[in-house]
Amino acid sequence: QKEVEQNSGPLSVPEGAIASLNCTYSDRGSQSFFWYRQYSGKSPELIMSIYSNGDKEDGRFTAQLNKASQYVSLLIRDSQPSDSATYLCAVNGNSGGSNYKLTFGKGTLLTMNP
Amino acid sequence: EAQVTQNPRYLITVTGKKLTVTCSQNMNHEYMSWYRQDPGLGLRQIYYSMNVEVTDKGDVPEGYKVSRKEKRNFPLILESPSPNQTSLYFCASSSRDGNQPQHFGDGTRLSIL
Repeated sequence: QKEVEQNSGPLSVPEGAIASLNCTYSDRGSQSFFWYRQYSGKSPELIMSIYSNGDKEDGRFTAQLNKASQYVSLLIRDSQPSDSATYLCAVNGNSGGSNYKLTFGKGTLLTMNP
Repeated sequence: EAQVTQNPRYLITVTGKKLTVTCSQNMNHEYMSWYRQDPGLGLRQIYYSMNVEVTDKGDVPEGYKVSRKEKRNFPLILESPSPNQTSLYFCASSSRDGNQPQHFGDGTRLSIL
């Protein structure tokens, strides 16, 4: 059973600070990694995708991937009240001949301190 | 506008009364999937489809049926709904390349009394 683990939180950070969200996964054959943001009662919204080791930056967001450690993270710089949401880590595997299996972590709730 | 459309958005019904939740995408995606989301359990995949007439079970398929007669549509059918199927349901789609992200519909909140 492929697993994706996240700290459920809540993770509370001051406005303007850097929020760091972490995720580990069990399937070494995983090839694609995604971060989704989900506001309460709303649908998941894609924030970042990353496919190779290293950092990928997009505006205030940076995704980091370390396949050797089976670890992926999301950094949010200059945190704002609108960043308060649940962040879902999702991993696409390639086992069993199917590369469409997207496994989600249970999400980390991020909240802002004013 | 590229989108995944689910209907209805909200439904309250009773045990045993068959219902269908529709899902339609306008992005010509091959892959479509249904998830349910419950507190503390996260998103769990119910069924998925890799193309027309090709469907397969996800992690929690019991009590659900799907069909994929057309590329754009992927309805979720509850033949005899039960209270444990009360949940928030999401449909998602993506291109044939499994490395592409999935796009989600707005969700359907089902309450089975």
